[in-house]
Amino acid sequence: ETAVFQTPNYHVTQVGNEVSFNCKQTLGHDTMYWYKQDSKKLLKIMFSYNNKQLIVNETVPRRFSPQSSDKAHLNLRIKSVEPEDSAVYLCASSPLRDENTLYFGAGTRLSVL
Amino acid sequence: GEKVEQHQSTLSVREGDSAVINCTYTDTASSYFPWYKQEAGKSLHFVIDIRSNVDRKQSQRLTVLLDKKAKRFSLHITATQPEDSAIYFCAPSSSSFSKLVFGQGTSLSVVP
Repeated sequence: ETAVFQTPNYHVTQVGNEVSFNCKQTLGHDTMYWYKQDSKKLLKIMFSYNNKQLIVNETVPRRFSPQSSDKAHLNLRIKSVEPEDSAVYLCASSPLRDENTLYFGAGTRLSVL
Repeated sequence: GEKVEQHQSTLSVREGDSAVINCTYTDTASSYFPWYKQEAGKSLHFVIDIRSNVDRKQSQRLTVLLDKKAKRFSLHITATQPEDSAIYFCAPSSSSFSKLVFGQGTSLSVVP
């Protein structure tokens, strides 16, 4: 049963455009994450938010920025997309009692032309 | 930082046989060892985990073995079925706020 919702499923855009991806979780979890999965299926954490505070920020390019209005929502904005940003972006959440178990959304596939 | 390796990029087994997927890590502080499964065209979902206070955990056809000395843990799947075909990722962790580092994934194919 899906409880981490991501929109859109797919997005095609051109280099230099701005894009935003949305993520909402209905599990009541306290921490949310964004992961990037490249064409080789490699997963890399980008951000995580706990109580609206950024607690992990791996060295991603500055054009990426997470945005959170409350603990159930964590959006991802890319200011000026580059070809290497083409990937699947996965949102996840984890509960306070079991922070290391992640629940993933279906992902947003970004294609940059 | 933590370095996680899954040296088998692909694994093929016959339906009904057992499959073993391995994962090595470098951080001696790692204390939580989960496995995630990604079926074709789908997202990841948690399948089983083990914590550092035990060296074996079983859930139905899945068993996780942990060798802390060798810094290695493995996923054993018995009586494999076609629906076990997927990419399996290990993701050992040591921090309180998850900073899971994922392995490269092992693509398991269960052939009839």
